[in-house]
Amino acid sequence: QLVLTQSPSASASLGASVKLTCTLSSGHTRYAIAWHQQQPEKGPRYLMKVNSDGSHNKGDGIPDRFSGSSSGAERYLTISSLQSEDEADYYCQTWGIGSWVFGGGTTLTVL
Amino acid sequence: EVQLVESGGGLVQPGGSLRLSCAASGFTFSSFWFSWVRQAPGKGLEWVANIKFDGSETYYVDSVRGRFTISRDNAKNSLYLQMNSLRAEDTAVYYCARGDPDYWGQGTLITVSS
Repeated sequence: QLVLTQSPSASASLGASVKLTCTLSSGHTRYAIAWHQQQPEKGPRYLMKVNSDGSHNKGDGIPDRFSGSSSGAERYLTISSLQSEDEADYYCQTWGIGSWVFGGGTTLTVL
Repeated sequence: EVQLVESGGGLVQPGGSLRLSCAASGFTFSSFWFSWVRQAPGKGLEWVANIKFDGSETYYVDSVRGRFTISRDNAKNSLYLQMNSLRAEDTAVYYCARGDPDYWGQGTLITVSS
C-alpha cells in the first residue's frame, strides 16, 4: 500500500535552516512526490516536485530558499533562512493509480 | 494569473445534497486534469476525486464513490462536485486543484449537521 509518512512537527529558529522528511512506503521508493505549504487559515500552495534522483521543479514564485532532495525512500524539503511566514503545515503528496496520496503533514514552528 | 475560485459551500443536513463549483481563469482550462481535495477541521488533506481533460475518466476515493460525482464544463471553464447522501464525516473545506496539482483554490466549507 502506497503510504507517505511525515513527522507531525518540526521547529527551527528564525534565520536558520530546517529539513523536512517524507518517507515512501516499501515498494514505492522510486516515486516522485510533491510538497505543498499551507499557511494558517489559507489554502495549500504548491512548492515543488521532487524526483527520486533528487531533481526538483519548483512552482511559480517559490523562493530560492526552498529546495528539494532525495535519498532512497526519503524525500526532503529544505527551507533556509527561515522567515516567520514559513510557519505553516507542509504536506507531501504522490500519485497512485488514478488517485493521490497525502502524507499526514508536518507543522513547522519558527522560533 | 491563474485563479481557482470555489463556491457552493454551506450547511446541509445529513442525507442532503450540495453542488460545489470551481471557476477557473488565467489559463487553458481544457488542457488540465482537475481534482477535489478536502480537509476536515483540524485534519490533513484528503484527495476526493479527479477528472481527465475531457471528462472521459474520473476517479474517486472509496469513501465517496457512488455518492459524489465530479464533472466539468470546458466551455464554461468550470469544475463541479455533486455531493449526495451527505454524512457528518463529509464536513470539511473542499479545495479544487489543477493538474498534479500546481495550483489550488482557496476552498469552500461544507458542514453536514442537523
